[in-house]
Amino acid sequence: GAGVSQSPSNKVTEKGKDVELRCDPISGHTALYWYRQSLGQGLEFLIYFQGNSAPDKSGLPSDRFSAERTGGSVSTLTIQRTQQEDSAVYLCASSLRPSGGYEQYFGPGTRLTVT
Amino acid sequence: EDQVTQSPEALRLQEGESSSLNCSYTVSGLRGLFWYRQDPGKGPEFLFTLYSAGEEKEKERLKATLTKKESFLHITAPKPEDSATYLCAVQETSGSRLTFGEGTQLTVNP
Repeated sequence: GAGVSQSPSNKVTEKGKDVELRCDPISGHTALYWYRQSLGQGLEFLIYFQGNSAPDKSGLPSDRFSAERTGGSVSTLTIQRTQQEDSAVYLCASSLRPSGGYEQYFGPGTRLTVT
Repeated sequence: EDQVTQSPEALRLQEGESSSLNCSYTVSGLRGLFWYRQDPGKGPEFLFTLYSAGEEKEKERLKATLTKKESFLHITAPKPEDSATYLCAVQETSGSRLTFGEGTQLTVNP
């Protein structure tokens, strides 16, 4: 079946511009997660959705970052006034459940470069 | 705060030379420990979930084991196509986020 998809695959933007990253989870997966992977660093949790609600957004690094999920499916991560330190690969994952140890399946990521 | 430490950072093996990767973790209560494989330019690919100490899981040349403080990923007779970065992550009982280690970059030479 179809896996997690993300778009765009690559995004180059100028410092100060806003960007939107999209994630389509696996059909039927109620939980959705955003992570960030910077060069030389591990995956860093950003936000978790259960349905359309975000019970854990504690990983968002600043108020320039926001995310929403609609229809219990597609999610958009928005970064306002991008900075060079925002350059990273943004990964989306989905799972059947938020707990119970259910594995998270990852998309291919969006590589964001802020110039 | 959950912590995950993987060692070694990089490992170079000859084809057929078996070895193990280590994942040490600190977590208030473990719901599950996960192993992923990540190829360059791709997202992590799920391999295993381990839930309790003593549990073992196998897939082809890979075998994952779990104790109360660490997990091992054993690679038996590796092939060049096993070259990748292997990531370990924990999920605690109170949450759903995964906390990842920084990975072990494995290279298998023919």
